[in-house]
Formats: sequence, structure tokens, C-alpha cells
Amino acid sequence: QKEVEQDPGPLSVPEGAIVSLNCTYSNSAFQYFMWYRQYSRKGPELLMYTYSSGNKEDGRFTAQVDKSSKYISLFIRDSQPSDSATYLCAMSGNSGNTPLVFGKGTRLSVIA
Amino acid sequence: NAGVTQTPKFQVLKTGQSMTLQCAQDMNHNSMYWYRQDPGMGLRLIYYSASEGTTDKGEVPNGYNVSRLNKREFSLRLESAAPSQTSVYFCASTLTRNTEAFFGQGTRLTVV
Repeated sequence: QKEVEQDPGPLSVPEGAIVSLNCTYSNSAFQYFMWYRQYSRKGPELLMYTYSSGNKEDGRFTAQVDKSSKYISLFIRDSQPSDSATYLCAMSGNSGNTPLVFGKGTRLSVIA
Repeated sequence: NAGVTQTPKFQVLKTGQSMTLQCAQDMNHNSMYWYRQDPGMGLRLIYYSASEGTTDKGEVPNGYNVSRLNKREFSLRLESAAPSQTSVYFCASTLTRNTEAFFGQGTRLTVV
């Protein structure tokens, strides 16, 4: 079992839809959870950063972490064509020097 | 606001040739990373440097070497390029292990 599992999609939704993107993980030591957005032919950029369990909201984006289920989500409200990108989850723990572990990414297309 | 700068942006190599990918960051970050990204495989860590003077293998180190030249610069060397090393290579840096990763714009490498 991979440490982080993420459905690669592709996911296609109409403009204005609510999008739900998810990752599951197996390492209970993970404490820091991030979502990155990657446009075609560009480097990933940080979208959301959360520590431990709970919700975090930033504009149209909401990140949720459920450590008991080892499950994280990113919700996009009122999706726009400009949200079309690949979304990668990433996470890390407190021990050792282990770098961020990334999911494989979900490709999202928002159709106008 | 340069952030993480990678050179070159594109490169075509013949099998057996060598080359060095350069990466520099101007954010005074401690840790630097090299990833490769292939379709369907996500970001895979090649090597990382948790701090100046240290380097460690990641998930896919074979065929690569790295040098942490100083706090700013982290280079990736392919000694004898193979077609399997055709990929997009990303350099990233973090202040500490659990903080946001900043990525360069990538190097598209083709080995023929």
C-alpha cells in the first residue's frame, strides 16, 4: 500500500459546481497536510496548508483533515474554468528528516 | 521575487551523455529537493538535502548524483543519460521539513 493514495481522475465538472478532491494515507504520524495546484507545464504551488485535524477555509477553497479516518479533502465552491489544473495532496510528520510525501495528483477540468 | 530558479528549462540529450541540472533559491531555505514527474506517476523524490552539507536518497536515486554546493544551490547530475530518464524535473525548497515547498518551473529533459 502506498503511503498516500489519490484518485488521478480526470475529473470533469461544469462551471459553478462544487468539487471534492480527496486523499487517503496510511502513516498515522502525519501531522501537516497541504494541497498544491499545478497548471499545465508549470511547477506546483501551495493552495492550502493545515496542521492536524479540522477545517480551513480560504475564499472558495476549504481543506478538511480527518486524522481518525486518515482522510483529507479539498472542496472548491463555485468552480471556475481557471480552476482547471492538477491538484496534489502532500503531507509530512514530526519525526526524522522525511520530506513531504505527495499524492499522484487529480486532474480537474472545469467546463464553461 | 525569483524564488526557485532552475536551468535549463529544456534539454535534449543523446543516450550516454552527461549533464547537470542547476537549482538556486533565494529564500534562505534550509532544505532542497529534486523530483521527477512522469505521466501517471506523480512527483517522485530523487534526492534531497535537509541542510547544507547533507544529502539523502529519495525514492528513485539510481542514475543520479547531487551536490549541495552551498545553502542556495543544489545541482542534479546525470552521468550517463538513459531514455528512462526522459521526464520533467522539479527542484523545490523548504524552510524546514514541515513548511511550504516552493517549486521551480521545471526542466523538460528528453533523452534520445
